[in-house]
Amino acid sequence: DADVTQTPRNRITKTGKRIMLECSQTKGHDRMYWYRQDPGLGLRLIYYSFDVKDINKGEISDGYSVSRQAQAKFSLSLESAIPNQTALYFCATSDSGQGGTGELFFGEGSRLTVL
Amino acid sequence: GQNIDQPTEMTATEGAIVQINCTYQTSGFNGLFWYQQHAGEAPTFLSYNVLDGLEEKGRFSSFLSRSKGYSYLLLKELQMKDSASYLCAPSSGGSYIPTFGRGTSLIVHP
Repeated sequence: DADVTQTPRNRITKTGKRIMLECSQTKGHDRMYWYRQDPGLGLRLIYYSFDVKDINKGEISDGYSVSRQAQAKFSLSLESAIPNQTALYFCATSDSGQGGTGELFFGEGSRLTVL
Repeated sequence: GQNIDQPTEMTATEGAIVQINCTYQTSGFNGLFWYQQHAGEAPTFLSYNVLDGLEEKGRFSSFLSRSKGYSYLLLKELQMKDSASYLCAPSSGGSYIPTFGRGTSLIVHP
């Protein structure tokens, strides 16, 4: 089983619908992140959380919200989806502990299409 | 913000050596990551450089010059499976969160 699990893996929805992407991890990491990836633009940070009570905006947070329900769970919501939110979304985790490189461990991605 | 520049695409021959360069401009630099991403898959960690110099890990090596804002990833004995996108990602500030470049798509041909 994957250490970082995203659901759903694929979703097609219509403009204006509310969408939630979920992420859970079994790595015991304290830090969690949501990125989106678009062709030619690379990975861009949407939101990140360093622990359950910590939520921070990333580079492109407009139109998104997040919830850190537990250390192991971090969900991303699109309150009213629009076509330019069509992208591949990645959840990632990292460990802030001493001795770690802080490398990111990614989920398998959630491909979202907004029509 | 950070400016990260790496070539969009490179091609190389199986068995050869390829060097993927990355330049960056950032304040509060901590270190620099390289990730590999195969098409349709998640990025996976390759290397992390904090100090100047070369870090070798099997067929892959990564170099950093902090004063020049420059890094490269060196891939030796190229294999077809090395065809992938390679992402340069410097981290900065107290959060140590990496910012990703647009990636270099490497195509290895026979």
